[in-house]
Amino acid sequence: SQQGEEDPQALSIQEGENATMNCSYKTSINNLQWYRQNSGRGLVHLILIRSNEREKHSGRLRVTLDTSKKSSSLLITASRAADTASYFCATTSRYSTLTFGKGTMLLVSP
Amino acid sequence: EAGVVQSPRYKIIEKKQPVAFWCNPISGHNTLYWYRQNLGQGPELLIRYENEEAVDDSQLPKDRFSAERLKGVDSTLKIQPAELGDSAVYLCASSLGDRVASDTQYFGPGTRLTVL
Repeated sequence: SQQGEEDPQALSIQEGENATMNCSYKTSINNLQWYRQNSGRGLVHLILIRSNEREKHSGRLRVTLDTSKKSSSLLITASRAADTASYFCATTSRYSTLTFGKGTMLLVSP
Repeated sequence: EAGVVQSPRYKIIEKKQPVAFWCNPISGHNTLYWYRQNLGQGPELLIRYENEEAVDDSQLPKDRFSAERLKGVDSTLKIQPAELGDSAVYLCASSLGDRVASDTQYFGPGTRLTVL
């Protein structure tokens, strides 16, 4: 069963713009991770945020986590055409099992 | 460093036929996962191995699916017989498996199965 629910389902922006994707989940978590998937490189881990953290940065990525609302957001700044992909949030609770959401399809146009 | 290797990349079979997928994890990774990803959905865990032991197979349809990880390295996932609804991408992933909840998983390219 899917734990996370990404919003929006699809997002279309121009190069240079920022992209924001949201994720909501249902049960308590140990951490939340974001993955990117495109046809060329498969599913790639982007960033992990622990349940006791509120914000994390990695390059052009910024992730926030609000455990009281059971939600997270992924911000990609200054987007590039190469950022075109599907983005998934995934939660872990107990050991390492990942439970994925349905994903957001991001299209970045030149 | 080589990533997770899967084969075949694509497989087309007729329903009721058997099919098998193979996965070679990253060297030194003790934990191996098999996921199924349906079109437009996120991956869903089928089975998780810690070394050669299947520690979570609650989502594996055991009437037709089986998996093994001999010697705690390579793994094979089998479907027999395949049904139309089994069409999906089957992903293999591995992680260090130090039992830390933040263990990052590394995914292979997947096998796209089409059942006709």
